[in-house]
Amino acid sequence: ETGVTQSPTHLIKTRGQQVTLRCSSQSGHNTVSWYQQALGQGPQFIFQYYREEENGRGNFPPRFSGLQFPNYSSELNVNALELDDSALYLCASSLWNQKDTQYFGPGTRLTVL
Amino acid sequence: LAKTTQPISMDSYEGQEVNITCSHNNIATNDYITWYQQFPSQGPRFIIQGYKTKVTNEVASLFIPADRKSSTLSLPRVSLSDTAVYYCLVGDAGGATNKLIFGTGTLLAVQP
Repeated sequence: ETGVTQSPTHLIKTRGQQVTLRCSSQSGHNTVSWYQQALGQGPQFIFQYYREEENGRGNFPPRFSGLQFPNYSSELNVNALELDDSALYLCASSLWNQKDTQYFGPGTRLTVL
Repeated sequence: LAKTTQPISMDSYEGQEVNITCSHNNIATNDYITWYQQFPSQGPRFIIQGYKTKVTNEVASLFIPADRKSSTLSLPRVSLSDTAVYYCLVGDAGGATNKLIFGTGTLLAVQP
């Protein structure tokens, strides 16, 4: 069974730039969720994708967007990066009917300078 | 989603049993209780989930009293590698709930 993978592991960007983070879900999982985790805080829900459509969104502005592909992999895109976007971005996969049992990837550490 | 309250930090020594209690006074009938563990710079890892009474797996036990307004995660004979942040979450596993709501968790520090 393949676990959740994310790429890249680390990324440095400057303010105003755009970034794309990638996630491959665990084999057989059809639901992908993205979280942002600032230092010393718990993960904060960004949005969730199921059947290639956004299915729920947290308190994040529209410059945070995503995609889910037919193979259930997913992308998180962030436009017009701000310094406060510096965080660990976590992807989690699950089955639709077991959404509170999510399997997390190792995360992408994004630093915005 | 029911809000949860847990201690900010706990200290223990190797070989001891550690119990972390979480309060969730507003838990709904359909809600399950789930615990996650997170090591620094890693994603959270599912530990255990339960609805009522007691659940045990190879990693931990989860005790839930009859009123379900609290739960206790029990880690038997902790080791240094159990030093991590532990999160308690409450939600409806198969319902319309889309997101996991994490608090700040409990930082468990295990000392030799």
